[in-house]
Amino acid sequence: EVQLVESGGGLVKPGGSLRLSCAGSGFIFSDAWMTWVRQAPGKELEWVGHFKSKIDGGTTEYATPMKDRFTISRDDSENMVYLQINSLKMEDTAVYYCVTSSMGVWGQGTVVTVSS
Amino acid sequence: DIQMTQSPSSLSASVGDRVTITCRASQGIRNDLAWYQQKPGKAPKRLIYGASTLQDGVPSRFSGSGSGTEFTLTISSLQSEDFATYYCLRDGSFWTFGQGTKLEVE
Repeated sequence: EVQLVESGGGLVKPGGSLRLSCAGSGFIFSDAWMTWVRQAPGKELEWVGHFKSKIDGGTTEYATPMKDRFTISRDDSENMVYLQINSLKMEDTAVYYCVTSSMGVWGQGTVVTVSS
Repeated sequence: DIQMTQSPSSLSASVGDRVTITCRASQGIRNDLAWYQQKPGKAPKRLIYGASTLQDGVPSRFSGSGSGTEFTLTISSLQSEDFATYYCLRDGSFWTFGQGTKLEVE
């Protein structure tokens, strides 16, 4: 069974940083493009970016608003993908989901709350 | 950037109804289009990908059509478990979600 489990969310003060993690299992992780999507409370889904598989170039792409403060990385040896968020703002408060792009499987999400 | 315009934003319907949701792309996206269902407090679930391919395990009452700039999701006979929010997604190299359609009980 394909499974994704996110972790690392929590309450953070504005200006702080956070690294979210996502563990994948049940599929060939190194072959998968791994994507992060977020959803602010009561709002629509918003694409953050993705990390392509090595065979497809192993590069990252980000939504335009995310390019400056968000960094996606991956460790195929550990079946992990990460999302680093710097200079957190209150508008970054959201549920952050990890997704396998081709299979369309989502994790359960991890909640990030930015508040003083 | 390609914009995805989804309509309607909300829809009231009854069990047994036929329901159609539309998504329009600001420029042609071939068939790089998926449909998702999301229930409150849950992660989205993919229903359709490649504009018209049904995800494994998804009931056949769901269908997708379209190519280029106009796409539709149709639920042929609404069931009680189908009341949820639906999103279209332009996928591929850069993703863009539609604004969502909340399907409610009439």
